[in-house]
Amino acid sequence: ILNVEQSPQSLHVQEGDSTNFTCSFPSSNFYALHWYRWETAKSPEALFVMTLNGDEKKKGRISATLNTKEGYSYLYIKGSQPEDSATYLCAFYSGYSTLTFGKGTMLLVSP
Amino acid sequence: DTGVSQDPRHKITKRGQNVTFRCDPISEHNRLYWYRQTLGQGPEFLTYFQNEAQLEKSRLLSDRFSAERPKGSFSTLEIQRTEQGDSAMYLCASSFGGGGSLIQETQYFGPGTRLLVL
Repeated sequence: ILNVEQSPQSLHVQEGDSTNFTCSFPSSNFYALHWYRWETAKSPEALFVMTLNGDEKKKGRISATLNTKEGYSYLYIKGSQPEDSATYLCAFYSGYSTLTFGKGTMLLVSP
Repeated sequence: DTGVSQDPRHKITKRGQNVTFRCDPISEHNRLYWYRQTLGQGPEFLTYFQNEAQLEKSRLLSDRFSAERPKGSFSTLEIQRTEQGDSAMYLCASSFGGGGSLIQETQYFGPGTRLLVL
């Protein structure tokens, strides 16, 4: 059973704060790490697919880094806005047919 | 809208009843996945289709669960004799797999069907 851990479980920040959360995954049999954003009552939205150690990806104010040797990825949000409020999920792909998800980090950004 | 759609969005049923959910993937996607999310957990894999072939089933998928994708387009997930433990969000996702490797594939999710078994 693959163990994908996300921390913190939840986070409450003020508008304008920058924040980051962590996804830990097995460092062996690594193929890819996916990040998703899931807003309430909507579909989970794909943010990044990361495959290479040291990879860094950016989408607007959101960026992510990847360390496959030590088995972690960070997601950063710069200048958080209320519309960033969502659950952020990471998912690990080990070469089998499916993704193993973490439990998510629930972010609330207050105006 | 060309995203993944699921129907119904919500379902309340009594224990012992059968329920069926439908997923319509993005039209050109050949792969389709079902996941289940219970409270406080991330989505957990249930089953996976490539075109009409069901290629993998999780141990979570008991014999009360059956999934089909008859023409390689939409899929249905049926739960027979529902139990209270089946209460969850059922998510469908689709992707386009071109050459066998799923490494770079992004799975596109639908909004889910929330099931409550009383």
